[in-house]
Amino acid sequence: GAGVSQSPSNKVTEKGKDVELRCDPISGHTALYWYRQSLGQGLEFLIYFQGNSAPDKSGLPSDRFSAERTGGSVSTLTIQRTQQEDSAVYLCASSLIRGANVLTFGAGSRLTVL
Amino acid sequence: DQQVKQNSPSLSVQEGRISILNCDYTNSMFDYFLWYKKYPAEGPTFLISISSIKDKNEDGRFTVFLNKSAKHLSLHIVPSQPGDSAVYFCAASATMYSGGGADGLTFGKGTHLIIQP
Repeated sequence: GAGVSQSPSNKVTEKGKDVELRCDPISGHTALYWYRQSLGQGLEFLIYFQGNSAPDKSGLPSDRFSAERTGGSVSTLTIQRTQQEDSAVYLCASSLIRGANVLTFGAGSRLTVL
Repeated sequence: DQQVKQNSPSLSVQEGRISILNCDYTNSMFDYFLWYKKYPAEGPTFLISISSIKDKNEDGRFTVFLNKSAKHLSLHIVPSQPGDSAVYFCAASATMYSGGGADGLTFGKGTHLIIQP
């Protein structure tokens, strides 16, 4: 596609429920990142995918968070048993080459956990 | 431990004047710096970058200055326009480790720039 597409744009859920957030990166971009921005905070790195390599999961805050990338394209971020502190905007970004510093971000998925 | 700090959460500037956004970093391994701009309900977009081999990079109304000894960079916008109102994020990376992921970009918390008519 022309840009990085994320869905849903907004998600309100109850504490304890599972949520899935989707990211469709720019076609041909091999690198895909998930970041989150909590209120008043900067962009916090969560996970990074590069081609068929094992993902870098070092930023995931707990084992309730997981992500996969199917076929080297679409990625899904799953949060199990959501907590109120998970409320944030989850941003996906992609880049053409490994380690490129200029990332193209999606508009984000705003998650609110009640 | 914040490695990239933007100490001004917000900044208000009159239209036509110069906007100066500041950023400090602590990791001496950082050698590549970027500014991203973010409008509400949109993702951040790349604005301008600078490598540590330079002390200035200019692109139209936007200039980034880097002071390596002070571990400080600033973004100057001249003249400021209403469309510049946005949140500006400073980001840094150590290109030696720029394999993506946690060793990739480190972002500051952002500065909300408000351009007043």
